[in-house]
Amino acid sequence: GAVVSQHPSWVICKSGTSVKIECRSLDFQATTMFWYRQFPKQSLMLMATSNEGSKATYEQGVEKDKFLINHASLTLSTLTVTSAHPEDSSFYICSATRQGANTGELFFGEGSRLTVL
Amino acid sequence: GQQVMQIPQYQHVQEGEDFTTYCNSSTTLSNIQWYKQRPGGHPVFLIQLVKSGEVKKQKRLTFQFGEAKKNSSLHITATQTTDVGTYFCAVVGRGNTGKLIFGQGTTLQVKP
Repeated sequence: GAVVSQHPSWVICKSGTSVKIECRSLDFQATTMFWYRQFPKQSLMLMATSNEGSKATYEQGVEKDKFLINHASLTLSTLTVTSAHPEDSSFYICSATRQGANTGELFFGEGSRLTVL
Repeated sequence: GQQVMQIPQYQHVQEGEDFTTYCNSSTTLSNIQWYKQRPGGHPVFLIQLVKSGEVKKQKRLTFQFGEAKKNSSLHITATQTTDVGTYFCAVVGRGNTGKLIFGQGTTLQVKP
């Protein structure tokens, strides 16, 4: 199956700092990637849709100035959590759909666990 | 927005017992997908159902899509400890972006 790689897997940062998470599609091109957030024992909540070469589309309630998304190439999308606070601690997962696939299957990255102290 | 309700939230079974999780929507779905997330891992695609009344099997897993395309179920026969994890259904969100909206998930614990 298609491979989506996410980096870093774990990150601990101080409150007020910014953290960048990278999501790469390794063996296919992804014009669209999706960023999800998952709190412990909860479901995946869609944060935004990342579109290559254009602005991301954010879900209701997600602050676009706080969660900066850049999709500069067909294989890379980045999520920057700016001025992180402890309540931003969560599991952030990116995903992508393979173009031309028979199904709308999402391929997920390994996830990035963010802890803000 | 598009929502899907999934029950139960948790299920503890003895190894060998069966397990079922259900997803329900108030609106007709174009399709529904199922994912499995192992503890500490990321979601992995299991299957997509598209047709009304569709039933698909993957070894001990049986997936069903309701006749009205408003509900779906995942049934595991004779659970094993390797079945442990959280099972999510997911439906396509509004708009033509391909984004998926996930159900609340059912966490399965299997006692050996």
